[in-house]
Amino acid sequence: LAKTTQPISMDSYEGQEVNITCSHNNIATNDYITWYQQFPSQGPRFIIQGYKTKVTNEVASLFIPADRKSSTLSLPRVSLSDTAVYYCLVGSGYSTLTFGKGTMLLVSP
Amino acid sequence: EAGVVQSPRYKIIEKKQPVAFWCNPISGHNTLYWYRQNLGQGPELLIRYENEEAVDDSQLPKDRFSAERLKGVDSTLKIQPAELGDSAVYLCASSSPGTGFVVTQYFGPGTRLTVL
Repeated sequence: LAKTTQPISMDSYEGQEVNITCSHNNIATNDYITWYQQFPSQGPRFIIQGYKTKVTNEVASLFIPADRKSSTLSLPRVSLSDTAVYYCLVGSGYSTLTFGKGTMLLVSP
Repeated sequence: EAGVVQSPRYKIIEKKQPVAFWCNPISGHNTLYWYRQNLGQGPELLIRYENEEAVDDSQLPKDRFSAERLKGVDSTLKIQPAELGDSAVYLCASSSPGTGFVVTQYFGPGTRLTVL
């Protein structure tokens, strides 16, 4: 079971690009990398998922190097509403998806 | 499309009392998960269902916790008797069969339990 390591917290200002890096040195061949976002009093919400290289959707981009031992969630031009906890998960199929403590992103005006 | 529905949203009980949480997953999702989230921590998986079958309950404290998913749709998680340490947010999630190795979970808003 791949374990992930990510910063406890990050600070940013509105309009800036935010990059949150997650380390997962023991990622298995079949594992995918998934990021979730959680606002207070809400359940986690799927943001993006990828296996290798780069994935982009309307919310974020996910960069995964060739060795797949880390990944970076990129949030372009953050706003105050992006203040949340971001979780990096690694797993495949129905294997247990273990949440760590996540990264608390605080966006200030 | 309706999301995962949970009730109640909040529950306050005294210790040693029983409590139950209800979850209605997204229509068509055959996999259902119950998580517990303590303050400042990530969600911790308690049990996973595939249709009616509990396929992973290794983290469920079976002395006081029980769950059921009759007919493979709605699910109920019960605690009896509740202890002070059970105060947490209980999250329900569901997913459909993934494409290949990919599974995406959809979470409900959770039930915040306070045990006094």
